[in-house]
Amino acid sequence: GAGVSQSPRYKVAKRGQDVALRCDPISGHVSLFWYQQALGQGPEFLTYFQNEAQLDKSGLPSDRFFAERPEGSVSTLKIQRTQQEDSAVYLCASSVTGLGANVLTFGAGSRLTVL
Amino acid sequence: AQTVTQSQPEMSVQEAETVTLSCTYDTSESDYYLFWYKQPPSRQMILVIRQEAYKQQNATENRFSVNFQKAAKSFSLKISDSQLGDAAMYFCAYNYGQNFVFGPGTRLSVLP
Repeated sequence: GAGVSQSPRYKVAKRGQDVALRCDPISGHVSLFWYQQALGQGPEFLTYFQNEAQLDKSGLPSDRFFAERPEGSVSTLKIQRTQQEDSAVYLCASSVTGLGANVLTFGAGSRLTVL
Repeated sequence: AQTVTQSQPEMSVQEAETVTLSCTYDTSESDYYLFWYKQPPSRQMILVIRQEAYKQQNATENRFSVNFQKAAKSFSLKISDSQLGDAAMYFCAYNYGQNFVFGPGTRLSVLP
């Protein structure tokens, strides 16, 4: 596609529910990143994929967070047993190689509110 | 670990005037990239400008330019002839390999 597409744009979950956030990167982009952005803060790294391989998941805050990209294109970030502290905007970004010579193109984000 | 600091949580500028946003970073690497991203209220992050650390010449993109001081690890953004559409959060970002680190952001208001 022309840009990075994320869905849903807004998600309200009750504490304890599971949620799934989808990212459809730019076609042909090898690298895909997930970031968590709290209100008024900068994006914080969660995880990184190169094609279908998850090369870095050091930013995932707990084992309730899980990400996958099974065919090297669309990615899903899943949060199990949501907690209030999970409330944030989840940003997906993709790039051609993930190196600085190419830039990150971001989606509009998915705003998660946990009640 | 690399860190990026933006010491100005909020800035304001009069329309048509010039404003400079500050950014400092910490790294032990010598070859890396620096970026400024803009995030309007619609939330989508947009690349403003990019600088390669091995280039001494400061990057420019139309009304946007940077002052890159490698030894001081400083990377400020200058916006000339500010427009109402420049109002947004601005994030400074450091990149080495696949590691991207963002600063906390500066909220820029443009006054008519």
